[in-house]
Amino acid sequence: AQSVAQPEDQVNVAEGNPLTVKCTYSVSGNPYLFWYVQYPNRGLQFLLKYITGDNLVKGSYGFEAEFNKSQTSFHLKKPSALVSDSALYFCAVRGSGTYKYIFGTGTRLKVLA
Amino acid sequence: EAGVAQSPRYKIIEKRQSVAFWCNPISGHATLYWYQQILGQGPKLLIQFQNNGVVDDSQLPKDRFSAERLKGVDSTLKIQPAKLEDSAVYLCASSRGSGRDLNEQFFGPGTRLTVL
Repeated sequence: AQSVAQPEDQVNVAEGNPLTVKCTYSVSGNPYLFWYVQYPNRGLQFLLKYITGDNLVKGSYGFEAEFNKSQTSFHLKKPSALVSDSALYFCAVRGSGTYKYIFGTGTRLKVLA
Repeated sequence: EAGVAQSPRYKIIEKRQSVAFWCNPISGHATLYWYQQILGQGPKLLIQFQNNGVVDDSQLPKDRFSAERLKGVDSTLKIQPAKLEDSAVYLCASSRGSGRDLNEQFFGPGTRLTVL
């Protein structure tokens, strides 16, 4: 069965510092991995995805994520956090043999000025 | 381009009543998704259409939930009868492709359902 875990309910980071939001997954077959962000009073927005190829993928707003097959992880990163990055972040996975997307429970990122 | 439209934005009903939600995806998007997001949880996929065919409905409680996408464009999701545990935000999303569509999903604003 497919699953995705976001082990941290909340991550606090000071503005200007690097941030990491963690995601681990379990699927049959090859994983397709996604990050979405939900800003207050706004809908979910796509950030980036990993389908195949380079393990480091770059996305919107300066975010990037690294696919690590041996650790079954897809952590979201940004070198320098902004206060405006404060939002709810969701990791999602889909296995290569299915159409079904599974979303994690979300991690609230708070960037402190 | 216009985004994914959903209506109503809010709905309050009593248990055992029926309710329907409407979604109009981005023009030209072949794939349409309905998700249920309970407070404090991530979105849970209920049903996925490609054009007007269902490609996944494994998590749809079929005894009370139904969905259709006539003509492969807009879609309705119905709950009949509603239970207290159906209180959630119902999200509609669409994506461009078909087949093994791995394109980004564009989400609507959601419909917040409260069942009393």
